Amino acid sequence: AQSVTQLDSHVSVSEGTPVLLRCNYSSSYSPSLFWYVQHPNKGLQLLLKYTSAATLVKGINGFEAEFKKSETSFHLTKPSAHMSDAAEYFCVAGGYNKLIFGAGTRLAVHP
Amino acid sequence: GAGVSQSPRYKVAKRGQDVALRCDPISGHVSLFWYQQALGQGPEFLTYFQNEAQLDKSGLPSDRFFAERPEGSVSTLKIQRTQQEDSAVYLCATRPRGADGNEQFFGPGTRLTVL
Repeated sequence: AQSVTQLDSHVSVSEGTPVLLRCNYSSSYSPSLFWYVQHPNKGLQLLLKYTSAATLVKGINGFEAEFKKSETSFHLTKPSAHMSDAAEYFCVAGGYNKLIFGAGTRLAVHP
Repeated sequence: GAGVSQSPRYKVAKRGQDVALRCDPISGHVSLFWYQQALGQGPEFLTYFQNEAQLDKSGLPSDRFFAERPEGSVSTLKIQRTQQEDSAVYLCATRPRGADGNEQFFGPGTRLTVL
């Protein structure tokens, strides 16, 4: 069975500083992994996805994530936070029949 | 190109009422999924269709929940005799045939409040 653990429920950063959102997964096989973002009253938007090609994945809006099999991690990073990055972020493991979501990390960005 | 649309966006029901939530998929997407997102939590899988066939309904929490997709396009999630614990955002997602890595495309959701 697959599971996803997001290690921080809330992260607060200053505008212009780096962002790190942590995610660990558990799976009996190499999963597809995603990061989705959810802005208030908006639908879930795909930031990036890992599908067993390159382990460093670049996404939209300057975000990237690195798949580390030895650590079963898929942490999301961004070099410099922007006010518009404030949102809920979900780490997701993808199987054919369903997606398994983590509990989410709420990112706050302050001036 | 239109994305996944859901209606209504907001629904308030009295406990015991039946509700029907609609999902219009992206044209040509053969797979359709429903998820339930309780307040402050991540979405949880409810059910999965491929065309009109419901291939997995293991996430439906009780027999009060029923989903259908009779013509392989629009889907309806029905909840009978709603309870307060049914209050959540219901998300619909679709996926085209051969999607890279099983990526799903989400609608904006229907927020259901049961009083």
